[in-house]
Amino acid sequence: AQSVSQHNHHVILSEAASLELGCNYSYGGTVNLFWYVQYPGQHLQLLLKYFSGDPLVKGIKGFEAEFIKSKFSFNLRKPSVQWSDTAEYFCAVNPSGGGADGLTFGKGTHLIIQP
Amino acid sequence: EPEVTQTPSHQVTQMGQEVILRCVPISNHLYFYWYRQILGQKVEFLVSFYNNEISEKSEIFDDQFSVERPDGSNFTLKIRSTKLEDSAMYFCASAASAGGYYNEQFFGPGTRLTVL
Repeated sequence: AQSVSQHNHHVILSEAASLELGCNYSYGGTVNLFWYVQYPGQHLQLLLKYFSGDPLVKGIKGFEAEFIKSKFSFNLRKPSVQWSDTAEYFCAVNPSGGGADGLTFGKGTHLIIQP
Repeated sequence: EPEVTQTPSHQVTQMGQEVILRCVPISNHLYFYWYRQILGQKVEFLVSFYNNEISEKSEIFDDQFSVERPDGSNFTLKIRSTKLEDSAMYFCASAASAGGYYNEQFFGPGTRLTVL
């Protein structure tokens, strides 16, 4: 079975600071990788996803993530955060190839951006 | 923009009672999921459903849980005899099918279940 570790549970940054949230996974095969965001009082929304190809993927709202296979990592980055990025961020994986495989989530990172 | 909806937003029940949580997935989607999140813990996969049958289930999804797609639009999760530890936020999700290429799972807003 797969597992996901998010190392930063709470992160506080000032506006315009750069962001990197760590995500490592454990699984014996190939995986699909995702970052979801949950803004206060809202649904889980997909920020970005990796299935194959270019390991650097760009998502919405200026976020990007890099898949490093040798490190089993998929860290989320943003060069300059805004107050509106305050939210809970979840890394998730599922095995490649299936259409119905459930996602395995990390515990989430609570990001607070101070104006 | 189409979205997944869930009702009720909050359900309070007594231990031992049956509850049914309802979801309306996005209309052209074919894969359906339930997840739960106990307060302070990670989101956990419960079950996936495709072609009117369970595709995959986690070890959490024991005999007290069941899922159904009764009418082609709703997707329900039934908990037969609730326990205190079933208190959690329950999320429904759906995904389209694209010939084997995995698509994004779209999540609903969740139902907060409180078991007293």
